[in-house]
Amino acid sequence: LAKTTQPISMDSYEGQEVNITCSHNNIATNDYITWYQQFPSQGPRFIIQGYKTKVTNEVASLFIPADRKSSTLSLPRVSLSDTAVYYCLVGPSGNTPLVFGKGTRLSVIA
Amino acid sequence: NAGVTQTPKFQVLKTGQSMTLQCAQDMNHEYMSWYRQDPGMGLRLIHYSVGAGITDQGEVPNGYNVSRSTTEDFPLRLLSAAPSQTSVYFCASRTGTANTGELFFGEGSRLTVL
Repeated sequence: LAKTTQPISMDSYEGQEVNITCSHNNIATNDYITWYQQFPSQGPRFIIQGYKTKVTNEVASLFIPADRKSSTLSLPRVSLSDTAVYYCLVGPSGNTPLVFGKGTRLSVIA
Repeated sequence: NAGVTQTPKFQVLKTGQSMTLQCAQDMNHEYMSWYRQDPGMGLRLIHYSVGAGITDQGEVPNGYNVSRSTTEDFPLRLLSAAPSQTSVYFCASRTGTANTGELFFGEGSRLTVL
């Protein structure tokens, strides 16, 4: 199972762009990179997924360099409601289970 | 379409008691899994299943049993509850065939063992 490393916590002011970087040096060829968001007392929810280059949806962008050994989740103009824990996961290859790390706790300040 | 449904939402047990956390999904997902989350921590995988009749251990399987007799249901059994099993338990499912791995989570079951 590919391991990931991401910062434990980050602070940001409202309206700023937030970039959270995740390292995954042993990513496998068939692995995708997926980010989840978790609010207190809720289960995680899917934000975005990508394989290479850049992916954008209505919530975030995901930047993946050519070597795929890291990825960056970009949240544009964060608001207080973006305060949450963000998890970076790599996989699955076939039926390999997804393993969550401790995530990055983002605190958005007014 | 209810998604992933977990019951009960809250439960208090005494040490040594047994119980079953229920998980059901109506999305015809092949893959189902159980995680536990302790305060301030990430999610740790307990058991998972890639289809009916197939289960496997995750990171922290001790003290828990699972079975998968149908595609829809994946119950988690605590055989003899211990205070260390006080946690929030999340069930999750996804399609099991593709590399796109969006997991759909239930709302969680908060268990306290006294």
